[in-house]
Amino acid sequence: DVKVTQSSRYLVKRTGEKVFLECVQDMDHENMFWYRQDPGLGLRLIYFSYDVKMKEKGDIPEGYSVSREKKERFSLILESASTNQTSMYLCASITDRPSLSTEAFFGQGTRLTVV
Amino acid sequence: QQQVKQSPQSLIVQKGGISIINCAYENTAFDYFPWYQQFPGKGPALLIAIRPDVSEKKEGRFTISFNKSAKQFSLHIMDSQPGDSATYFCAAINTGTASKLTFGTGTRLQVTL
Repeated sequence: DVKVTQSSRYLVKRTGEKVFLECVQDMDHENMFWYRQDPGLGLRLIYFSYDVKMKEKGDIPEGYSVSREKKERFSLILESASTNQTSMYLCASITDRPSLSTEAFFGQGTRLTVV
Repeated sequence: QQQVKQSPQSLIVQKGGISIINCAYENTAFDYFPWYQQFPGKGPALLIAIRPDVSEKKEGRFTISFNKSAKQFSLHIMDSQPGDSATYFCAAINTGTASKLTFGTGTRLQVTL
């Protein structure tokens, strides 16, 4: 019954490394999101995509980029990881179709540590 | 710019008590207000949601109260149980746009025995 899958649960990377976080959804949703979760700050939107090859910046896009080459897959890229990017990263998807539930489905999260 | 403000940041309630979490929003274009529940090590999952055409929605022990004029909504957990201990996020969305969810900062609920 898995709907949104993130490729890694835990990652440890070195400062300056290029990091890829992968997310796949099997619900044919149009919209996919990357959030960052930090204590006391809630879920902050990094980037979202409403269609293949389309992307929009969220609230905290600096230091990140994204890629959506296929509808089911949305990748978050840290071009040069820094220690302040140590966090929990959550991927989510939601449909635009009004006949379906307006429920966002989340992956299990990737806890990234940059050392 | 925090479009959805949530309080309190943390809450401790005794078993059997009522847990209340409050949220306020600014954007009047929001038309769907879900609450998400997150257990440690898991992603958030939809708990209950409301649209602004009703003032209250109840599902089991969970109730959303909605005050459109005040632009506020709250989650009430009746007969709180230790299994309800989790982080709760309110959220808001304008379903007419690209379905971008805006979340509150979260409330960490602990229900004690």
